[in-house]
Amino acid sequence: AQSVTQLGSHVSVSEGALVLLRCNYSSSVPPYLFWYVQYPNQGLQLLLKYTSAATLVKGINGFEAEFKKSETSFHLTKPSAHMSDAAEYFCAVLYSSASKIIFGSGTRLSIRP
Amino acid sequence: GAGVSQSPRYKVAKRGQDVALRCDPISGHVSLFWYQQALGQGPEFLTYFQNEAQLDKSGLPSDRFFAERPEGSVSTLKIQRTQQEDSAVYLCASSPARGSSSYNEQFFGPGTRLTVL
Repeated sequence: AQSVTQLGSHVSVSEGALVLLRCNYSSSVPPYLFWYVQYPNQGLQLLLKYTSAATLVKGINGFEAEFKKSETSFHLTKPSAHMSDAAEYFCAVLYSSASKIIFGSGTRLSIRP
Repeated sequence: GAGVSQSPRYKVAKRGQDVALRCDPISGHVSLFWYQQALGQGPEFLTYFQNEAQLDKSGLPSDRFFAERPEGSVSTLKIQRTQQEDSAVYLCASSPARGSSSYNEQFFGPGTRLTVL
C-alpha cells in the first residue's frame, strides 16, 4: 500500500539550531511531494512542493527539502530555527494528478528558547 | 483573493444527531476534497469531486457519511446518526483545473472541529 512515514512524532530543537524533519515515501515512481505546516486550530498551509523540476526545493519561511529517489526520502530542513516555527508538520504524497493526497502522521516541532 | 472557507468552525452534537458541514472552495476551482483529521493524526481522505461529479468516495468510513456538490461549487458533508468516533476535524480542500500552475496543489480550509458527546 502507498504510504508516507515521518520519523519522530515530536522533535525539539533550540532556537537558532538546525531543523531536520524526516519523511520517507513508498513508491518506485516519483510522486508529487509536499510539506504542509499546521498551527493550532488552523488549516494546512503549504510550505513547499516537489514536482520533478528540481530535487532541491525551497519553500516559505526559510524551509527547504531535498528529493532523493535512491532513498525514497524528502526530508525538510531549516538552517536556523525560530520560535515561530513551532507547529505540526506533515509530509504528503500525491501519486497521480487530481487525486487524493496521502499524509504522514505528522511531526510536532518544539523550539526551546 | 478569498481562500477556502468552511462553516461552522466548531460543532458540538449529541450522539445520534445528524450534522451538515459546509465547504466553499476557491472560486473557479474544479476539484474539491474532504479529509478527516483525528486528534494527533494526519488528515485522511474521505471523498473527491470534480465539478459536480463525485469521482471517489472510497474513504467514507460508513454509509452514515454522505457528501454532495450539486452545482459544482459549494459542497456539504453530511453525517447521519453521529457517533463518538466521528469526533475529528473535517478539512476541505480545492484545486484548480488542469493548465493552472497550481494544478497539483490542494488549498485547504480552516476545518470544522466536530465533537460528538
